[in-house]
Amino acid sequence: AQRVTQPEKLLSVFKGAPVELKCNYSYSGSPELFWYVQYSRQRLQLLLRHISRESIKGFTADLNKGETSFHLKKPFAQEEDSAMYYCALLMDSSYKLIFGSGTRLLVRP
Amino acid sequence: GAGVSQSPSNKVTEKGKDVELRCDPISGHTALYWYRQSLGQGLEFLIYFQGNSAPDKSGLPSDRFSAERTGGSVSTLTIQRTQQEDSAVYLCASKGGGSYNEQFFGPGTRLTVL
Repeated sequence: AQRVTQPEKLLSVFKGAPVELKCNYSYSGSPELFWYVQYSRQRLQLLLRHISRESIKGFTADLNKGETSFHLKKPFAQEEDSAMYYCALLMDSSYKLIFGSGTRLLVRP
Repeated sequence: GAGVSQSPSNKVTEKGKDVELRCDPISGHTALYWYRQSLGQGLEFLIYFQGNSAPDKSGLPSDRFSAERTGGSVSTLTIQRTQQEDSAVYLCASKGGGSYNEQFFGPGTRLTVL
């Protein structure tokens, strides 16, 4: 069955420290993966997608098909990065997004 | 232009009552989704509308849940005989054409069933 796993409910780091939010997926087809972010009192918004291979707000994520992972990384965390992060999988046979349970990132000063 | 809007922003109801939640997608977006966000559960897909095609209802948790989309625009999610476990934030998202597959989310409706 299709599944997205985010093993950490909470990740707490100090400002300036590297951060990695883990995401693993289970899907037999060709996946398209996304990271969505929800800042406090704001709506859910797209952070980045794997097909774009872009860096947004210093975040990058590489799709590793061998490890079925799409971890989100940033070398130097900032306080404004504190938010809820969701990894999502788009199955190629439909337009449904399968979301992970989310990881709350807390960046402390 | 305006983003996805949802109303009401908050709804408190008593167990057993029916509720209707409204979603106004971005103008011109042909795809519309409903999700449920429960504490610690992530986002759960409920239903998907694409143009005039039959909706994908595979995520609706029970027959108490239904949704319709009138004129290919506004959508209403109806929950009949609400239960306490229906308490959650209900999110609507819309998507336009093109290859980017980005869904744009509304602010959500927080439903509390007492």
